Amino acid sequence: QVQLVESGGGVVQPGGSLRLSCAASGFTFSSYGMHWVRQAPGKGLEWVAFIRYDGTNKYYADSVKGRFTISRDNSQNTLYLQVNSLRPEDTAVYYCAKDNILRGNYPNAFDIWGQGTMVTVSS
Amino acid sequence: DIQMTQSPPTLSASVGDRVTITCRASQSISSWLAWYQQKPGKAPKLLIYKASSLKSGVPSRFSGSGSGTEFTLTISSLQPDDFATYYCQQYDSYSPTFGQGTKVEIK
Repeated sequence: QVQLVESGGGVVQPGGSLRLSCAASGFTFSSYGMHWVRQAPGKGLEWVAFIRYDGTNKYYADSVKGRFTISRDNSQNTLYLQVNSLRPEDTAVYYCAKDNILRGNYPNAFDIWGQGTMVTVSS
Repeated sequence: DIQMTQSPPTLSASVGDRVTITCRASQSISSWLAWYQQKPGKAPKLLIYKASSLKSGVPSRFSGSGSGTEFTLTISSLQPDDFATYYCQQYDSYSPTFGQGTKVEIK
């Protein structure tokens, strides 16, 4: 079945870095754009980043621009998020999500979500 | 960024009630709007996309309407499994944004 499984979260000090991964299965990964969305504890959803199906276009939320980098390896069906210069306000569950449009050029709705990986930024 | 405002923040209802949640955009987003359901400790699930298109497998008691700046999610007859938080999301721009959520509670 269609599945997304995130990993790589953990506890990190302010200013630190992590690399989050999202393993995809059950669909043609290379044909869909992918997103990262986060949710701080007890708060709402915040879109973080999008990467086009072929990796050529990337878009970021202003809150993470210049600190986070989204990438993908279509040969390994894996999505990544490199998170640098972490701040306490980056503490959240990070979800990867599949775009619902085949070979879409821009962000659309998110039709499949992973279970999330927790990132805690604390000294 | 386009701001999305949902109302009400919390809604108390009973099984069998008709429930309506409203989402307003700070500028026109045509029909580029989605609705999600989220239960505690779980990932969100897509219910509706393009304002009124029901995702395959989602019960027909869920429906969406609207265009431009005002949208609604309606649950025609609330079921026990529907008590959750609902979010709208616009994707008219390169920077999607969510509403703050509406929690549907048991009355």
